[in-house]
Amino acid sequence: AQSVTQLGSHVSVSEGALVLLRCNYSSSVPPYLFWYVQYPNQGLQLLLKYTSAATLVKGINGFEAEFKKSETSFHLTKPSAHMSDAAEYFCAVSRGGTSYGKLTFGQGTILTVHP
Amino acid sequence: NAGVTQTPKFRVLKTGQSMTLLCAQDMNHEYMYWYRQDPGMGLRLIHYSVGEGTTAKGEVPDGYNVSRLKKQNFLLGLESAAPSQTSVYFCASRREFDGYTFGSGTRLTVV
Repeated sequence: AQSVTQLGSHVSVSEGALVLLRCNYSSSVPPYLFWYVQYPNQGLQLLLKYTSAATLVKGINGFEAEFKKSETSFHLTKPSAHMSDAAEYFCAVSRGGTSYGKLTFGQGTILTVHP
Repeated sequence: NAGVTQTPKFRVLKTGQSMTLLCAQDMNHEYMYWYRQDPGMGLRLIHYSVGEGTTAKGEVPDGYNVSRLKKQNFLLGLESAAPSQTSVYFCASRREFDGYTFGSGTRLTVV
């Protein structure tokens, strides 16, 4: 079985400050890991994904995440927050292979950006 | 290039009524999924399909049925709606070894 835990259901930062959204996972096999963003009343959009290549993954909108196997973590960061980054962020894990890419999602973290 | 289209976008049902949610994708993706999203619980998989004519249960399948008669369409049915099925429903599709493309969601309220 696999699971995802996102630490902090709400994170608030000032515009220009570092964004750090935490994600820890558990998986019995090497995982595929994803971060998705959801803007109000919209579907989910892929930010970035880790599929066993480079451990530091760069995504869209200046976000990046680092896969740390020893810590079972895949935290999402952005050096400087913009007002437009305000949204809900979801971490997800997939085993691939015979699991047919089924995603297990974390509970979500709502990011608020203050002027 | 519409991607994944869900209809309807909003619906209010009375307890015991039935309805079907339609998901259509124009990307020739093999895999399709139905998730429900509830506050504080992320998205949970209801049913999925690995190709035309196939369906399988996900994490929370009770009270729902699905069909994939055509590769581009994945239907989610509620035979007898219950208030616990009030949620936002998302359809997604993907190709092998690729990421998901999500629809914009269907907001369902059961009263």
